[in-house]
Amino acid sequence: GENVEQHPSTLSVQEGDSAVIKCTYSDSASNYFPWYKQELGKRPQLIIDIRSNVGEKKDQRIAVTLNKTAKHFSLHITETQPEDSAVYFCAASIESGAGSYQLTFGKGTKLSVIP
Amino acid sequence: NAGVTQTPKFQVLKTGQSMTLQCAQDMNHNSMYWYRQDPGMGLRLIYYSASEGTTDKGEVPNGYNVSRLNKREFSLRLESAAPSQTSVYFCASSRYGYTFGSGTRLTVV
Repeated sequence: GENVEQHPSTLSVQEGDSAVIKCTYSDSASNYFPWYKQELGKRPQLIIDIRSNVGEKKDQRIAVTLNKTAKHFSLHITETQPEDSAVYFCAASIESGAGSYQLTFGKGTKLSVIP
Repeated sequence: NAGVTQTPKFQVLKTGQSMTLQCAQDMNHNSMYWYRQDPGMGLRLIYYSASEGTTDKGEVPNGYNVSRLNKREFSLRLESAAPSQTSVYFCASSRYGYTFGSGTRLTVV
């Protein structure tokens, strides 16, 4: 089955700096890569996702890049703010188009943004 | 529009007791999932249901059973709870992206 490795496990940055979280996956058939943000005591929430037919996707201060050859993808957060502090999870799956796909998650990165 | 609703939010069980975690979604999604979240382990898939009437094992199914009661509801049952099942349980449904419920924090003593 799929295996997703996520690094680093913790990350501290100064407010305004950029943060980068990296993930690798094992199954070359995986084609859907979402990122989730989980605040303390809350549910994971989707913040951005990318499919294997594109190499990069941006949404305001957040971007995700995908390298299919190397089987890794990364989350980039620019101009970090204290409200970005949370645990971030990457995930990978094979998306069949029928709406059912089993996500395999990384173990998470705790991001702390220092004011 | 409530999204995905889980009950209960908190539960304490004694070893050997049984209980059912309830999950319902009102988004007309075909697929539903149960994950457990443990510190430092991310989220691990217990069972999933690709459509009404079907269920399949995920990564960590031992000690659990599920029922897809109808399109809206997908329940998770612990027949004989063990301390190793202490965790936070999340239900989710999907069409384009996952929507998670608010979670059930279960402690088995």
